[in-house]
Amino acid sequence: GQQLNQSPQSMFIQEGEDVSMNCTSSSIFNTWLWYKQEPGEGPVLLIALYKAGELTSNGRLTAQFGITRKDSFLNISASIPSDVGIYFCAGQRSGSRLTFGEGTQLTVNP
Amino acid sequence: GAVVSQHPSRVICKSGTSVKIECRSLDFQATTMFWYRQFPKQSLMLMATSNEGSKATYEQGVEKDKFLINHASLTLSTLTVTSAHPEDSSFYICSASRRQNSYEQYFGPGTRLTVT
Repeated sequence: GQQLNQSPQSMFIQEGEDVSMNCTSSSIFNTWLWYKQEPGEGPVLLIALYKAGELTSNGRLTAQFGITRKDSFLNISASIPSDVGIYFCAGQRSGSRLTFGEGTQLTVNP
Repeated sequence: GAVVSQHPSRVICKSGTSVKIECRSLDFQATTMFWYRQFPKQSLMLMATSNEGSKATYEQGVEKDKFLINHASLTLSTLTVTSAHPEDSSFYICSASRRQNSYEQYFGPGTRLTVT
């Protein structure tokens, strides 16, 4: 099935640094979602975005739904070691089917 | 909260045998459940969508006779991998949604299947 283009694939940062990752698609989505997955676990929803241009925060996380509805970004400010994991974007057009990005592996060095 | 459990968390089976994985929504009724497969360092790939009481809808390329899905109640869906082969070894994750056509999917913790 179609996947979203997510970048970067991996990031190695120092604790306290800010992080930014994004997803793009050639087609429009009606909802954008960001998940975090830790090893051996299922994804956990971080932020959901419902309309173009929407900017939503959840603690140190901020995500935006692109104006064109074809992209979204996720920022993490002041990273901490427990932010380590794989972050996935997901888009939904209609119905409940989600399309996932390839994931961004985040490593935070203390 | 919306808690989804999976059982078993990991299973090792011999080639040619069948394995059943259970997905339960513990504190809500799941109208729709989804089954995903995830290979190492890859994304989640949707295998099928099941609505309670009806047949599952499989994604293109997923063999419905090999991956049997049953969603007999609003809190339980099962995935049976029949005649398993080593290439079926993967991380299988289910998710559940309260309503059809809703983005809100609550994911289970996954089941690691190893076929020897």
